[in-house]
Amino acid sequence: GEDVEQSLFLSVREGDSSVINCTYTDSSSTYLYWYKQEPGAGLQLLTYIFSNMDMKQDQRLTVLLNKKDKHLSLRIADTQTGDSAIYFCAEKPGSTLGRLYFGRGTQLTVWP
Amino acid sequence: DTGVSQNPRHKITKRGQNVTFRCDPISEHNRLYWYRQTLGQGPEFLTYFQNEAQLEKSRLLSDRFSAERPKGSFSTLEIQRTEQGDSAMYLCASSSFGQGDNSPLHFGNGTRLTVT
Repeated sequence: GEDVEQSLFLSVREGDSSVINCTYTDSSSTYLYWYKQEPGAGLQLLTYIFSNMDMKQDQRLTVLLNKKDKHLSLRIADTQTGDSAIYFCAEKPGSTLGRLYFGRGTQLTVWP
Repeated sequence: DTGVSQNPRHKITKRGQNVTFRCDPISEHNRLYWYRQTLGQGPEFLTYFQNEAQLEKSRLLSDRFSAERPKGSFSTLEIQRTEQGDSAMYLCASSSFGQGDNSPLHFGNGTRLTVT
């Protein structure tokens, strides 16, 4: 079955880089996603990576994928207090009709 | 593009009552998903529509839950005889089939249900 694991908490100082890690189990996963959730809100798509890539950069965000180890990471450069939120990793296995499986989320706290 | 819209934002109901939530997807998105999120957890899949056809239902969707998408546009999720364990955030998402395999899900802000 599909299982996505994330560490639950991360604290960083403003201006530092944040790295949020995720592991997944389904080797057929075609795409992997990062979503951001602020209090009381829905999920905002941040970025995604296709499974045949190993890195994707999008402004302050860098996604690294190690397909052999089924490990995904999200690096946020120059973290700001506005980046404080819960970050969810999600996988889209090849066998599903577009359905995503989510981790429990990592609560990122940025200290001024 | 006004995004995915969900109503109401909050619903408080007494145990045993029925509730209905509405989701308006991004226009022309033909795929629509319902997820449930409880405190401290990630979203869990409930059901999926392509146009008006309900193609997949999770085991989480007991017979007290029913979802419809009658004209392939908006969708409703009804919970009958609510229980305290139904208290959660109900999230709707939509995506567009036809952009290849990668059609990211776009989520609404959810309906928070509290059953007292």
